Amino acid sequence: QQQVKQSPQSLIVQKGGISIINCAYENTAFDYFPWYQQFPGKGPALLIAIRPDVSEKKEGRFTISFNKSAKQFSLHIMDSQPGDSATYFCAANAGKSTFGDGTTLTVKP
Amino acid sequence: AAGVIQSPRHLIKEKRETATLKCYPIPRHDTVYWYQQGPGQDPQFLISFYEKMQSDKGSIPDRFSAQQFSDYHSELNMSSLELGDSALYFCASSSRLAKVGYTQYFGPGTRLTVL
Repeated sequence: QQQVKQSPQSLIVQKGGISIINCAYENTAFDYFPWYQQFPGKGPALLIAIRPDVSEKKEGRFTISFNKSAKQFSLHIMDSQPGDSATYFCAANAGKSTFGDGTTLTVKP
Repeated sequence: AAGVIQSPRHLIKEKRETATLKCYPIPRHDTVYWYQQGPGQDPQFLISFYEKMQSDKGSIPDRFSAQQFSDYHSELNMSSLELGDSALYFCASSSRLAKVGYTQYFGPGTRLTVL
């Protein structure tokens, strides 16, 4: 059973556009929701994270929106750049991290 | 800032051989996690340790074992290697005392290839 569902699987955005990746979870025991960026052959790098008592968190061009009642959260990347092209994973933590399947983002120049 | 260190970065083994992967967490981090990531897949949790005790267990095969030592570094021991064990193995560390709670910081990974 997939505990964290992530969509879309792949995303193509023009430079300067907004990239939106969505995740949904089932387990209400999750208490921390990080997003990771991963480049090929590299380890996941923490981008931004949110607790369930906060509805939105913004750091630079990255924003997490969190809907506790719907058990959904999303990552918005504003002014997307070619350097943002990577795989993005949402995760939900209850101690260990449970990852979504990942979204491959391609930002076209 | 110091990051998670993993060694070796690359490892090539034959079927049925054994392998040992090492992880050195960020200083003052008390929890270590191991993940396995196959090609095109998300990281899958294997096992974690908090203060040298196993704290959680995921989809770790019985052929694998791990431990955390007194200096908080951890080792993942893999025996009777199979072709399907070829993957990236990541270690992550976190601190339960940190304000951000269970934020995990990942190492660069060990790429294991089983021939």
